[in-house]
Amino acid sequence: AQTVTQSQPEMSVQEAETVTLSCTYDTSENNYYLFWYKQPPSRQMILVIRQEAYKQQNATENRFSVNFQKAAKSFSLKISDSQLGDTAMYFCAFMIQYAGKSTFGDGTTLTVKP
Amino acid sequence: ETGVTQSPTHLIKTRGQQVTLRCSSQSGHNTVSWYQQALGQGPQFIFQYYREEENGRGNFPPRFSGLQFPNYSSELNVNALELDDSALYLCASSLDSIGVLNTEAFFGQGTRLTVV
Repeated sequence: AQTVTQSQPEMSVQEAETVTLSCTYDTSENNYYLFWYKQPPSRQMILVIRQEAYKQQNATENRFSVNFQKAAKSFSLKISDSQLGDTAMYFCAFMIQYAGKSTFGDGTTLTVKP
Repeated sequence: ETGVTQSPTHLIKTRGQQVTLRCSSQSGHNTVSWYQQALGQGPQFIFQYYREEENGRGNFPPRFSGLQFPNYSSELNVNALELDDSALYLCASSLDSIGVLNTEAFFGQGTRLTVV
């Protein structure tokens, strides 16, 4: 069975600063995807960034980047130049290729302070 | 705005009753997945439908069932409701079965179900 662990239930950061959210996962599979999702108070889950396990290069989307360490089964999210609109719950998720099922962590509540 | 809509947004039911939750996917999306998100936890995978057939199921009892229709709408049905079924129920649609390269899942805003 796959598990995803987010060890930081809550984090806060000052506007314009950088914050890193941690995620570790456990699997015996070799082909999989990792995701970070953002869930604001409106509840709608939004994909922030995706990483394919076969890619060594870390994914980047504007202010969001990941540090993917496959051997350590670690997948952290770095948010640069934090904005007030980044305040939300962030979920790390794991999916085996072609399996159809995503496994989510329990989330990290991020608060960006002005 | 993801183009995925769920109805109703809130619902209160009594223990033992049955409930149907609805999801309208983006046009052309062949796959819909349903998740249960308890308060303070991450979403738990219930099942996925691909081209109107179940294509994977999580650890949920048979009283959780679903349907997917040709018009890109789908339903989640829960029979014999229990207090622990109180949660946010999310649907997510995608162009193809999750796991296919470049497939992205688009989530609805969820239905908040309260069982009393």
